[in-house]
Amino acid sequence: EDKVVQSPLSLVVHEGDTVTLNCSYEVTNFRSLLWYKQEKKAPTFLFMLTSSGIEKKSGRLSSILDKKELFSILNITATQTGDSAVYLCAVEGIQGAQKLVFGQGTRLTINP
Amino acid sequence: NAGVTQTPKFQVLKTGQSMTLQCAQDMNHEYMSWYRQDPGMGLRLIHYSVGAGITDQGEVPNGYNVSRSTTEDFPLRLLSAAPSQTSVYFCASGSWGRQAFFGQGTRLTVV
Repeated sequence: EDKVVQSPLSLVVHEGDTVTLNCSYEVTNFRSLLWYKQEKKAPTFLFMLTSSGIEKKSGRLSSILDKKELFSILNITATQTGDSAVYLCAVEGIQGAQKLVFGQGTRLTINP
Repeated sequence: NAGVTQTPKFQVLKTGQSMTLQCAQDMNHEYMSWYRQDPGMGLRLIHYSVGAGITDQGEVPNGYNVSRSTTEDFPLRLLSAAPSQTSVYFCASGSWGRQAFFGQGTRLTVV
C-alpha cells in the first residue's frame, strides 16, 4: 500500500527563520512527488519533482527529491507570516491518472 | 478562466438523505478526481476518472457514486448520507505530466 509520511506535523517559528519540512514515501512505481500549500481553502501547487537531486526553486521556497532514500524536503527561507499554512506532500505512481496519495500535512505557523 | 468550480460550498444533510456535489472544469483536462479531507488525515482519494465515460474507485469509495458523461463535469453522489461522511470534499483536475488543480472545496456536515 502506498504511503506518505510528513514531519513534523506542526511547527511554530518566528518571522525570518528558515524551516525545513520533510516528506518520506513508499509507492509502487514512483512517477512524481508534489508539494502543495493549503491556507483556508483549496491546495495550491508549489512544486512537482520527478528526478533525484535537482533542486526546484520559487522565490524563498525550494525543494529537492532523493529517489534512493525515498524522501523530499521543502525549504522556506526568511519566513513571513503569509507562509503560515498547511503544507501537503503527495506522490503519484506510474499508472498516472493523478491518483495522488497525500501525507497528513505539516501545519506551519509563523509568528511576527 | 474559472479553473475548477465546486458547488455548493457548504451543505448540511440529515442522515439518510441523498445529494450530489457538483464539479466542473474549463481547462479541457482529461483527469478528474474527488478527495475527502478529514482532520489529521490529509486528503484521501474517493473516485477518479481518466476521461469521459471512464471512472474507477480510489482509496475510500464506499457510499459514493460518480459518473463522467462529459469532459467538463464530474459529479459526486451520496446515495444515503451517514455522519461518517462529514468532511471537506475537494474536486481536482489535471492532465498527463502536470499538477492537479483543486476546487475550493465543499464542507459537508451530516447530522
